[in-house]
Amino acid sequence: KNEVEQSPQNLTAQEGEFITINCSYSVGISALHWLQQHPGGGIVSLFMLSSGKKKHGRLIATINIQEKHSSLHITASHPRDSAVYICAVRGQGAQKLVFGQGTRLTINP
Amino acid sequence: SQTIHQWPATLVQPVGSPLSLECTVEGTSNPNLYWYRQAAGRGLQLLFYSVGIGQISSEVPQNLSASRPQDRQFILSSKKLLLSDSGFYLCAWSTGGYYNSPLHFGNGTRLTVT
Repeated sequence: KNEVEQSPQNLTAQEGEFITINCSYSVGISALHWLQQHPGGGIVSLFMLSSGKKKHGRLIATINIQEKHSSLHITASHPRDSAVYICAVRGQGAQKLVFGQGTRLTINP
Repeated sequence: SQTIHQWPATLVQPVGSPLSLECTVEGTSNPNLYWYRQAAGRGLQLLFYSVGIGQISSEVPQNLSASRPQDRQFILSSKKLLLSDSGFYLCAWSTGGYYNSPLHFGNGTRLTVT
C-alpha cells in the first residue's frame, strides 16, 4: 500500500462544476503539499498546509490530521484547470516528500 | 524575486552517451535543491537532494550522479545513459534552513534515450 493515495485517478467534469480531489496518507506528517502539473509538464506549488484550511482564488485545500486526509476543492471549474493534481506529504522528522500518483482532471467546456 | 532555470527543455540521446542537465536558482541564498524524475504515467521520484555546496544525498542507486559546484547550481549527470533513464526530469528548490517550505519547480527536461 502506498503511503499516499489519491482519488480519483482520473476525473472529467463540465465547466462550472465543483471539483473535489482526495488524498489519504498513512504516516504522521509535518506538512502536506498540493501541486499542479500542467500538460506541458511544469509543476506549480498550490498549497502547503499542516492544519485547517487554506484558500487561494477558486481553490480550497483542507486537511484533517486525525483522519490523515486532505481534500482539494475547485469551485466554478474552468477548462484551464485541466491538469494533474499531486498530493505530497512530509513525514515527521523526514527530509523528503512522498508523492501520490496524481489525479488527472479534465474540464470540458 | 526568485527564479529557477533548467535546461535543456528536451533532449534525445543515444544509449551509452553522457548526460549533463543543469539547474540554477536566482534570488535566494543557500536553497535546498532537488532532482526529481517522472517516468511516463508514474509519480515523481526523488533522485538527489542537496542542502549545501558539495552536499549531495542520493535516494535511488542508479547510474546517475549529482553535483552542486556553487550555492545555486545543481547538475545531474550520467557517464553512460540507459534506455531506462528516459523520463521527465525536474529540478526544484525550497528555502534552506526551514523544515517545511514550498517547493518551486523548474520547467523540466524531457529526456528520451534511444
